[in-house]
Amino acid sequence: EVQLLESGGGLVQPGGSLRLSCAASGFTFTSYSMGWVRQAPGKGLEWVSLISGRGTTIYYADSVKGRFTISRDNSKNTLYLQMNSLRAEDTALYYCAKESASCGGDCYALLDYWGQGTLVTVSS
Amino acid sequence: EIVLTQSPGTLSLSPGERATLSCRASQSVRSSYLAWYQQKPGQAPRLLIYGASSRATGIPDRFSGSGSGTDFTLSISRLEPEDFAVYYCQQYVSSAPTFGQGTKVEIE
Repeated sequence: EVQLLESGGGLVQPGGSLRLSCAASGFTFTSYSMGWVRQAPGKGLEWVSLISGRGTTIYYADSVKGRFTISRDNSKNTLYLQMNSLRAEDTALYYCAKESASCGGDCYALLDYWGQGTLVTVSS
Repeated sequence: EIVLTQSPGTLSLSPGERATLSCRASQSVRSSYLAWYQQKPGQAPRLLIYGASSRATGIPDRFSGSGSGTDFTLSISRLEPEDFAVYYCQQYVSSAPTFGQGTKVEIE
């Protein structure tokens, strides 16, 4: 059974930093791209970032480019999101998600399994 | 960036009725790389449809997707009580995937 468990969320001041983690199990972690999607309170879904299975190809939404860094440790089956220079508009529930095998080499972030999310609140 | 516009914003229906949700893209979605997700309150999104019309694993056949190019539709043939939720479309053809703003299907 695929399981994704996010952690690391919390309350941080504007300009601060936070690192999110996502522990994965139940599938061959290195074989799949992984992504982060966020959802502001009461709002819709926003894709944040995507990383390939080996970590060699990375994409970011323009809204977080230069501030957030996605990475993965395949020896630990763990995905990370380092968030710097946080702003109030980054306040959201952050979901970790696994890319589907139905997404071949020419598509991006078709996400078939999601964690339950970790809440990030940016406020003074 | 491909902008996805969903309509209507809210759909008020009764159990047993048919639901038809629309998703329009600002430019053509190559290879019909269009997905639909369902999200219930307090839960993570669940993948329903990918490739515009293929059902994901374990999704009941009352859910169906159609469309190509810029116009896509999610249909729910007979609404069950558990189908009342918010539905999002997503394009995954570009390296900047985007979601629609969502359609809420509520009990009338």
